Amino acid sequence: DTAVSQTPKYLVTQMGNDKSIKCEQNLGHDTMYWYKQDSKKFLKIMFSYNNKELIINETVPNRFSPKSPDKAHLNLHINSLELGDSAVYFCASSPMTSGRNEQFFGPGTRLTVL
Amino acid sequence: GQSLEQPSEVTAVEGAIVQINCTYQTSGFYGLSWYQQHDGGAPTFLSYNALDGLEETGRFSSFLSRSDSYGYLLLQELQMKDSASYFCAAGSLTYGQNFVFGPGTRLSVLP
Repeated sequence: DTAVSQTPKYLVTQMGNDKSIKCEQNLGHDTMYWYKQDSKKFLKIMFSYNNKELIINETVPNRFSPKSPDKAHLNLHINSLELGDSAVYFCASSPMTSGRNEQFFGPGTRLTVL
Repeated sequence: GQSLEQPSEVTAVEGAIVQINCTYQTSGFYGLSWYQQHDGGAPTFLSYNALDGLEETGRFSSFLSRSDSYGYLLLQELQMKDSASYFCAAGSLTYGQNFVFGPGTRLSVLP
């Protein structure tokens, strides 16, 4: 009955590798997001995506790319990992029409690049 | 540009009332949300204000003044479990209708 799930929970890898983080939501929401939270707990949006539009934060390097096989999934691919990519990555979702504008976050994936 | 300011830390005792302020400079602003995050956990939604005024949800209330670009989260009858980080987030129509999060305020509740 998990609302927004992410795998893996922890990811440790070497610089230069390519990795993916998976995200799934079973809430029937239209929009999904990826956020990066650094060691100082700054929470920065990376992407938002619904079935019509991908919005990219212009500060995100193009080594990061979202892939959505269907409405319930938004995976994050990262190429050529760098030390500065170490952070906690959160997936989130929200319904298209929500007066509360509430976003539901997944448990997070802690990425450590060595 | 988009920027939000919050105090970095607030400390209060159990049973007290605490107010966490948030000021924003956001083009295309359409609303202010508040999220709570415990250490090691995910952000969870607390409240949202689209219009000026106070929204009350149990022990938590949130206020917005659009003319002052200012909002606050009010926590009453503080409990130890309220110790967490609190983030305000401003919705921006010029940012793909997405939310820009503030730097967060760490609240410590003392016995």
